[in-house]
Amino acid sequence: LAKTTQPISMDSYEGQEVNITCSHNNIATNDYITWYQQFPSQGPRFIIQGYKTKVTNEVASLFIPADRKSSTLSLPRVSLSDTAVYYCLVESGWMDSSYKLIFGSGTRLLVRP
Amino acid sequence: GAVVSQHPSRVICKSGTSVKIECRSLDFQATTMFWYRQFPKKSLMLMATSNEGSKATYEQGVEKDKFLINHASLTLSTLTVTSAHPEDSSFYICSARGVPTSGVTDTQYFGPGTRLTVL
Repeated sequence: LAKTTQPISMDSYEGQEVNITCSHNNIATNDYITWYQQFPSQGPRFIIQGYKTKVTNEVASLFIPADRKSSTLSLPRVSLSDTAVYYCLVESGWMDSSYKLIFGSGTRLLVRP
Repeated sequence: GAVVSQHPSRVICKSGTSVKIECRSLDFQATTMFWYRQFPKKSLMLMATSNEGSKATYEQGVEKDKFLINHASLTLSTLTVTSAHPEDSSFYICSARGVPTSGVTDTQYFGPGTRLTVL
């Protein structure tokens, strides 16, 4: 399983764009990159998933360079309600029984007024 | 789509009793379900993986006789904490991996969690 490294914490202000970068140097060919958001005392919520280049949905964008050794979650115009912990995960073993997710420490994002 | 529920959301019990937590995938079939525990301000720790109709696979260091997992159907998994002690107090979260359909990506969908407090 590819280990992920991301900043422990980040601060931002309302209305700003926030970019959280995650490194996953040992990512394998068939692995996907997934980002989750977690609020206190709640289960993680799926944000976005990608394999390469750029993926965009209604809440975020995910940028993955050609070598796939890192990825960047981009949150446009954050609000106070985006204060949460963000986890970057590499999903391995899609097609076999070894599939599982291992959570790293996550990035604690604080959005200030 | 892709909603996972847990019941109960919060439970308080006396030391020595057993507690059962249910995890259900409400609008999709879950080929695999996972159980995590999370301590305050810490990350999620995977406890076990279960596939419907087969025995759960436990992570290293997790006592399978203490944390009994049953995955009886494609929509239900249960975690039973047997003879609970105060050190078992934690936030337990389940997740389900579904068959990809419209609105269901091939990833894990998480339940809201269960706060267990053992007195």
